[in-house]
Amino acid sequence: EPEVTQTPSHQVTQMGQEVILRCVPISNHLYFYWYRQILGQKVEFLVSFYNNEISEKSEIFDDQFSVERPDGSNFTLKIRSTKLEDSAMYFCASTREVSGELFFGEGSRLTVL
Amino acid sequence: AQTVTQSQPEMSVQEAETVTLSCTYDTSESNYYLFWYKQPPSRQMILVIRQEAYKQQNATENRFSVNFQKAAKSFSLKISDSQLGDTAMYFCAFMKQSGSEKLVFGKGTKLTVNP
Repeated sequence: EPEVTQTPSHQVTQMGQEVILRCVPISNHLYFYWYRQILGQKVEFLVSFYNNEISEKSEIFDDQFSVERPDGSNFTLKIRSTKLEDSAMYFCASTREVSGELFFGEGSRLTVL
Repeated sequence: AQTVTQSQPEMSVQEAETVTLSCTYDTSESNYYLFWYKQPPSRQMILVIRQEAYKQQNATENRFSVNFQKAAKSFSLKISDSQLGDTAMYFCAFMKQSGSEKLVFGKGTKLTVNP
């Protein structure tokens, strides 16, 4: 069964460093998402991406964050200069249609020291 | 803004018994979708069940059913004949029908099924 895969599963980085989280969505899906969950808090929406551009983003998704789908398969989330408060589990998701079932990856845990 | 509240951080149930997980939400929208997602330990979140707000009939998927009370803004999940594999975090989530693609999640309920 097709799955959304995410790498790395865990990354530890120093504050101020750039981080790239990678996702391979399911191949025939058209809509792509990043969510994050800070420990003990709710899963929060970060950004949605369709037709090679951002379709919606939350107030969390500031200039330090960017997404791209450079080669038609990988979907990446970049954090330019990490802060302590960026420590969280980051989930990638994809779907074939909006309001359809979202398929989530297992998550990438980011720890910023 | 929409909010989703799950008031039960943890619950437990004996195998083969029935358990109900609570979820309430707040919205001014008329048309929306509600979801229950399940996240087993160290695994990805998967969709359990989905409800369109315009449908009065409660959604059912095998042992999983919902009690959708639109006026009360309540969306509870009933798991019948609980199995050990049902042990997971369960998240209730809301999505507007139009104008936004984002899911708004509750904090989750950790369900443990005991043998």
